[in-house]
Amino acid sequence: QVQLQESGPGLVKPSETLSLTCSVSGFSIGSRYYWGWIRQPPGKGLEWIGTISQSGTTYYNPSLKSRVTISLDTSKNQFSLKMSSVTAADTAVYYCARTIYGSGGYFSDSWGQGALVTVSS
Amino acid sequence: QSVLTQPPSASGTPGQRVTISCSGDSSNIGSNTVNWYQQLPGTAPKLLIYSNDQRPSGVPDRFSGSKSGTSASLAISGLQSEDEADYYCAAWDDRLNGRFGGGTKLTVL
Repeated sequence: QVQLQESGPGLVKPSETLSLTCSVSGFSIGSRYYWGWIRQPPGKGLEWIGTISQSGTTYYNPSLKSRVTISLDTSKNQFSLKMSSVTAADTAVYYCARTIYGSGGYFSDSWGQGALVTVSS
Repeated sequence: QSVLTQPPSASGTPGQRVTISCSGDSSNIGSNTVNWYQQLPGTAPKLLIYSNDQRPSGVPDRFSGSKSGTSASLAISGLQSEDEADYYCAAWDDRLNGRFGGGTKLTVL
């Protein structure tokens, strides 16, 4: 049973870089599938941030692409999110998730519990 | 503004059947499969339906999905109080960009 857990600072200052790590247990992230980040501002809907394949190919939300980097660390079975130049609009719960391909399409079948990141001075 | 369009709210009484719609276009729903997620208050989203109409293990058969053209629907029959949650449709486009609907808040009256 795969499990994902987000970790990182809960408070980030405006203009600084948000950094989060997703630790995965029960599955080797370098073996197959895709690994990604989704966020949810307080009281609002879900927004896809980006995804990385097991081989390191990245896919980013065009609206965030200039500020986002997702990377894999297979030795630690973790993947990470970095978002630069944050503002209050980046305050959200950040989820990491596994995305797989099956039955003709992609779907995110396993999610972390989420980490609240607040951008404030 | 979300690429996929859902009604912001829906409601029903216990035992009733309710449906939630999701509208997209040819670049997302029209050419890829649709997934549905259930988010109970204060929790992470949970996969409810994948590949238009498939239920993961453990999801009751009261939940069903369908897709036609550039639209999709989630149906919940025999509505129960524990179904009160936010429901999101999602699809990947041809460039493997993820798209979510704005979410529908389901109230069980």
